[in-house]
Amino acid sequence: QSALTQPASVSGSPGQSITISCTGTSSDIGTYKFVSWYQQHPGKAPKLIIYEVSKRPSGVSNRFSGSKSGNTASLTISGLQTEDEADYYCCSFAGYSTPRVFGRGTTLTVL
Amino acid sequence: EEQLVESGGSVVQPGGSLRLSCAASGFTFADYSMHWVRQAPGKGLEWVSLIGWDGGNIYYADSVKGRFTISRDNTKNSLFLQMNSLKTEDTALYYCVKDRSPMMVVADYGMDVWGQGTTVTVSS
Repeated sequence: QSALTQPASVSGSPGQSITISCTGTSSDIGTYKFVSWYQQHPGKAPKLIIYEVSKRPSGVSNRFSGSKSGNTASLTISGLQTEDEADYYCCSFAGYSTPRVFGRGTTLTVL
Repeated sequence: EEQLVESGGSVVQPGGSLRLSCAASGFTFADYSMHWVRQAPGKGLEWVSLIGWDGGNIYYADSVKGRFTISRDNTKNSLFLQMNSLKTEDTALYYCVKDRSPMMVVADYGMDVWGQGTTVTVSS
C-alpha cells in the first residue's frame, strides 16, 4: 500500500483560506468514508483535527473543514492564523490488510 | 485526562531486538483499539500496527510484518511492541496512539490521543 499523495507545501496569508489535497486510489479514499487529518507542530505529537472525512473533534476550530470527491480528500483551513503553521497529514482506511495509510505530509506556511 | 506514555526506546545494532511499552491512563483502556505509529527523523508519519480492544484483531504494515509483534495487557493498561531483526530504516520516533471510538477495530474513526513518543535508533 503506497502512501497517499499530498503537496509538499502550501502557503497563505493571515485571513486567507487554503486547501490541502490528499489523493489516494479506489482501494482507499475512493471506496471508504474513513479519512482523517492530523496537525503536527514542530517537536509535538500529531493532533486529530478531522475524522470520517468531515467531522471535527470537540475543541477543534470550525475554521477546519474536510471533504472528499472520488479518490481525493481535501482539508480546508479558512481565516488562516499564524498558529495554523504546521505539518498536516491525511490518513485513510485502506482495507482489512492495511487498515491505515498516511499521506506524506504537507507543510503549511502562513506568510 | 487521557494520557499515553511510551518507554523502551534505545540505541540498538542492526539485527537486534527491542521492546517498547506504552502506559495508558485517564480512559478505559480495554475499550479501545490501539496503534503504533512511527516517524523517521525529518520524515512523515507511518502507521506500524493495530491491535483490537480485546487483542483479537492484529494488523501490521508490510514494512514490519514478520519482525514486529504488537500485544496488550488490559489488566495493566499497557500496550507493547516487540521489535526483532531491526533494520536501520526502523530508526524513528515511535508513538503509541488511541482510537477515538470505543469497541471499533479496523475502520478509521480517527486516532485522538497520542503519546509523546519514544526514540528507537538502529545503528552499528
